Amino acid sequence: DSGVTQTPKHLITATGQRVTLRCSPRSGDLSVYWYQQSLDQGLQFLIQYYNGEERAKGNILERFSAQQFPDLHSELNLSSLELGDSALYFCASSPMTGSTEAFFGQGTRLTVV
Amino acid sequence: DQQVKQNSPSLSVQEGRISILNCDYTNSMFDYFLWYKKYPAEGPTFLISISSIKDKNEDGRFTVFLNKSAKHLSLHIVPSQPGDSAVYFCAASATTSGTYKYIFGTGTRLKVLA
Repeated sequence: DSGVTQTPKHLITATGQRVTLRCSPRSGDLSVYWYQQSLDQGLQFLIQYYNGEERAKGNILERFSAQQFPDLHSELNLSSLELGDSALYFCASSPMTGSTEAFFGQGTRLTVV
Repeated sequence: DQQVKQNSPSLSVQEGRISILNCDYTNSMFDYFLWYKKYPAEGPTFLISISSIKDKNEDGRFTVFLNKSAKHLSLHIVPSQPGDSAVYFCAASATTSGTYKYIFGTGTRLKVLA
């Protein structure tokens, strides 16, 4: 158990809908990262927050947004969903930013039908 | 632009032998490198890391080697065990650049044959 909790584990929704994925980082970790893995491909970096502030952005679509709350949990919002958004979405956390290992949650499998 | 590359999608090794997984990177700002292992339906699990001030880091059966001039790192697993069968990802970060993100390669699927 990495200590990073992601909910829900599975999500099935229709095209055009909006979903929210939730991540609770390890206790004490200030940094949260979101990654997308499609069809057994690599992990694509989406966005990073550190202590409530956005710190780095990857190839995140404009339809996607995220935030980190004062209690350090984070949410990834995906809207106007398309079939191609079906993927595993991972959250990771680390104490600092980029200089220590990040610990990953079990992921949320999103299926858009 | 794939800044971190794992050119071997798969690798098969006999139990007890050495497994060598390779990773190349293009961004000279990367100064911290990590290896993760991933089983199906699970999140990636951290294995071992190395800072660019070192050229080798060892942890039990796992050793990571870094060749900065070649922008190449490798993970050695010896001896390999069937439980090591998984997808291995290398990742890199530029800790001094202010970007903070970890960039992952596409992974190498290791199969250790009993």
